Amino acid sequence: RKEVEQDPGPFNVPEGATVAFNCTYSNSASQSFFWYRQDCRKEPKLLMSVYSSGNEDGRFTAQLNRASQYISLLIRDSKLSDSATYLCVVNMYTGGFKTIFGAGTRLFVKA
Amino acid sequence: DAGVTQSPTHLIKTRGQHVTLRCSPISGHKSVSWYQQVLGQGPQFIFQYYEKEERGRGNFPDRFSARQFPNYSSELNVNALLLGDSALYLCASSLGTGPGNYGYTFGSGTRLTVV
Repeated sequence: RKEVEQDPGPFNVPEGATVAFNCTYSNSASQSFFWYRQDCRKEPKLLMSVYSSGNEDGRFTAQLNRASQYISLLIRDSKLSDSATYLCVVNMYTGGFKTIFGAGTRLFVKA
Repeated sequence: DAGVTQSPTHLIKTRGQHVTLRCSPISGHKSVSWYQQVLGQGPQFIFQYYEKEERGRGNFPDRFSARQFPNYSSELNVNALLLGDSALYLCASSLGTGPGNYGYTFGSGTRLTVV
């Protein structure tokens, strides 16, 4: 079982739609959580940190559920420019620090 | 301010050779981590360094090694290159390390092709 699992998609949505991605992690030693965005042939860019209390940044809302070990990302009012791969990231300490990326979820927003 | 810079941007090597990749973090960032990304997958964690000490290591063979210098720049070395080492190698820097909520800023990567 992978330490961080994401639905690879692709998700094909029209502009203005709301789309949600989930990510599950298996190691209870996981301590901090993030969503990154990666455009084709570019480096990943930090989208937002994820907290148990939930956090919102404009059209983006992230949520952490420690009991169920999953992380979610909600995108409202999708824009064409939101088309990208969204990577779920978990930091953990297991005798040393590790950062584990999910394989990513592809999103295509169409006019 | 300059972001994370990596060099070279592209590299072609022959099987069995050795390669050194370089990374300069954002000014003030003391943590550098290295990742390998192949097409269609997320980045795979190789190493993390903080204050010149190795703080984490991923599941990569001993052919992979790294170090961090007093100015916080870093090198990733790969010996005895295999075809499967062909990938995008990403460096990321961060203010801190460990379980804090520091995100990483990535460089644009070094694309290594082993032939």
